[in-house]
Amino acid sequence: ELKVEQNPLFLSMQEGKNYTIYCNYSTTSDRLYWYRQDPGKSLESLFVLLSNGAVKQEGRLMASLDTKARLSTLHITAAVHDLSATYFCAEASSTGTASKLTFGTGTRLQVTL
Amino acid sequence: NAGVTQTPKFQVLKTGQSMTLQCAQDMNHNSMYWYRQDPGMGLRLIYYSASEGTTDKGEVPNGYNVSRLNKREFSLRLESAAPSQTSVYFCASKPGQGFTDTQYFGPGTRLTVL
Repeated sequence: ELKVEQNPLFLSMQEGKNYTIYCNYSTTSDRLYWYRQDPGKSLESLFVLLSNGAVKQEGRLMASLDTKARLSTLHITAAVHDLSATYFCAEASSTGTASKLTFGTGTRLQVTL
Repeated sequence: NAGVTQTPKFQVLKTGQSMTLQCAQDMNHNSMYWYRQDPGMGLRLIYYSASEGTTDKGEVPNGYNVSRLNKREFSLRLESAAPSQTSVYFCASKPGQGFTDTQYFGPGTRLTVL
């Protein structure tokens, strides 16, 4: 059974601070996805990481993948209030006829002024 | 281009009632998925359809049935709703095998079972 664990589950941080969200997954997958969800809204794709050592950056967010450690990180630089949301990582796996995503429990980020 | 649409947006049912959640996509995607989202549990896969004419069980299929009506539409049916099925339901789609795994999500249906 695939298992994806995120920590922390809740993160309250001040504007301007840096922090990292961790995502541990259970298989040797080399495909890891990050999504963002605003309260009451749907999920929006943020990053696609497709190989060991992959690093993607968008604004104040940077995601990386270490397949040997089965670890992905989402680093937040100089947080701003607009980044307040829930962030999910998801591990991709294939069943032969389709690929599936197994999601972590999410990290709710609250950026305070 | 509406992407993935879901109806209804909200629904309240009594225990034992049945209903069908509708999902449609206009992106010509092959694969479609149904998830439920509960507080503290992330998204859990209920059923998926790799392509038109095929469906498979996900992590939590009990109490649900699905129909892949055509390439565009994938419906989720609750035959006899239970309070444990109170949740937010998301439909998602993606191009198909061999393409990106990135799934595109609909706006969700918030279901309450009393």
